[in-house]
Amino acid sequence: NAGVMQNPRHLVRRRGQEARLRCSPMKGHSHVYWYRQLPEEGLKFMVYLQKENIIDESGMPKERFSAEFPKEGPSILRIQQVVRGDSAAYFCASSPPSTVGYEQYFGPGTRLTVT
Amino acid sequence: DQQVKQNSPSLSVQEGRISILNCDYTNSMFDYFLWYKKYPAEGPTFLISISSIKDKNEDGRFTVFLNKSAKHLSLHIVPSQPGDSAVYFCAAPGPNSGGSNYKLTFGKGTLLTVNP
Repeated sequence: NAGVMQNPRHLVRRRGQEARLRCSPMKGHSHVYWYRQLPEEGLKFMVYLQKENIIDESGMPKERFSAEFPKEGPSILRIQQVVRGDSAAYFCASSPPSTVGYEQYFGPGTRLTVT
Repeated sequence: DQQVKQNSPSLSVQEGRISILNCDYTNSMFDYFLWYKKYPAEGPTFLISISSIKDKNEDGRFTVFLNKSAKHLSLHIVPSQPGDSAVYFCAAPGPNSGGSNYKLTFGKGTLLTVNP
């Protein structure tokens, strides 16, 4: 049973370019979460999605960031016109429809470097 | 505003001894807590959890204790092994005024080093 998959693992972008991060949840999981980890910090919630629905994007910066989880295919976190401050590790997590235990299963992360 | 705090950035212990990692929280609405372990260049891995209706949960070498009155929890690892060397994060679902605890609030983590 494959775990949460993220790609690419490393992404380098110049300032002003777009970054697209992909996440495939675990089989049977319909809830996807994106978190960002800045250096020396804990993980910070960004957005929670179910298939074709954004449930909570309260942690997303108001501009340049968007997320989707289409009916088919992976979840995408998109960052437009990247700036140096976007350099961070971005983690995707998934959970099954029943979240009684609250556990979320994390992917290996995408490390974004903006030059 | 850090609602989950891990005040010790690092901890070093000898192999075979006990490791105690601490976590404090400020929001009394938190009613469930999780510990995650993270190796470099990997995602966090769920380790153990505890509900607020309990004060202790044990799983093998790992035990989590919860003191609700002090808003404090701790993770005990005994005996510690070199493979336990990692960053440990304390996390709590929520807070969310909507009543659905689907997002995790994390502490900053504690780097545990277990020396052979």
